[in-house]
This record gives sequence, structure tokens and C-alpha cells, in this order.
Amino acid sequence: DSGVTQTPKHLITATGQRVTLRCSPRSGDLSVYWYQQSLDQGLQFLIHYYNGEERAKGNILERFSAQQFPDLHSELNLSSLELGDSALYFCASSVSGGFHGYTFGSGTRLTVV
Amino acid sequence: GQQLNQSPQSMFIQEGEDVSMNCTSSSIFNTWLWYKQDPGEGPVLLIALYKAGELTSNGRLTAQFGITRKDSFLNISASIPSDVGIYFCAGQEGAQKLVFGQGTRLTINP
Repeated sequence: DSGVTQTPKHLITATGQRVTLRCSPRSGDLSVYWYQQSLDQGLQFLIHYYNGEERAKGNILERFSAQQFPDLHSELNLSSLELGDSALYFCASSVSGGFHGYTFGSGTRLTVV
Repeated sequence: GQQLNQSPQSMFIQEGEDVSMNCTSSSIFNTWLWYKQDPGEGPVLLIALYKAGELTSNGRLTAQFGITRKDSFLNISASIPSDVGIYFCAGQEGAQKLVFGQGTRLTINP
């Protein structure tokens, strides 16, 4: 158990629908990152939040949005889903002082049918 | 954003063989990291490198931060079945953002 909790583990939904993925960072970590991993692809950075504030955006579609709440958990909202949005979505967290890499959750596998 | 070129994309080896993979970048990174991803799981940090030229070991794994700060390699000695998985290099871009390579898929024949 990495300490980063992602729910749900699997999600199957239809095109056009909206889903919310949830992430709880490790205790004490203020930063949350979201990454997308498509089949046989690397990890594509979506967005970074630090203590409730958006810090950096990657190639995140306008149909996607995220937020980090006062208790530091984060949600990634995906709307108007398309078949191509099927992927693994990972959340990671990191300590606030210094930088020693990320700790990843186990991911949410999203299948859009 | 920066791109990392990781090679090889896949490797098929015999158990007990040594493995070598590397990453190159067109830009300088301040930190290089190596992760391993098992099927159905998130990547797990193996080694972090913070200084150019640094050579760091973690058991049978050895990684080096290139002197130009634009490359890194990972070696695995005497491979065992549990080494199977996808290995990712990552470079630190900006304050706390990581850029990942495309991964090296390692398959081991017993």
C-alpha cells in the first residue's frame, strides 16, 4: 500500500457521460498530480495541485477538470466522454519540502464504451 | 514540454542476464528518477538521482545521472522473474513536475 488511495479501481461508462475519479494523497503530502496512461503509452501529465491551488497544467482537455479540497483529497472530473478517453488515470502525491519523486496510487481504469 | 527518449522499448531476456536501459533528453534535468510499474499497479520509485555524475545502487539496480544532465541509465544485474514489468525514467521539470519516458517493457524467459 503506497498510501495514495484512488477510487474507484475500475469504471465502465458510456460515451457522452461524466465521471469523477477520487484521490486521497499520503498523509502529510500537500501536492497531488494527475496522470493519464493510455494503452502502451507513457504517463501523460494532466494537472498539479498544491494545498488546494492549481500549480501546473499539462495536456488536459477542456472536458476534464480537477480540484483539490481543504482536506487535500482531489477529484478529476471527466465529461462528454469519448472512446479515446479510455485509459488508466493515476494520482500521485509528493512531500511539500524538497522533491523526492512522487508516490503513485494504484490507478483508476476507465473504459468508455 | 520536454520529451524523454527511452530505449529500448522492450527487452526479452533470459533469467540471470544483466539488463541495461537508458533515457536521453534534449534539455537539462535537475533530477532523474527511475520507476517500475507492475501490471495493474501504479509506478513505484526505484532510484532517485540528484547530482550530475551521481551513481546510485539499490540492491541489484544501479542508475547513473549523466554528466551532461541530459541522460540517465539503469542497469539490473542477474535478472529474476519478479523484475518483469515496465520501467520508466522521469526527469524533474520545474519545481515539482515530472516528465516520463515511454517506458521499457522487460520480459524474462525462465
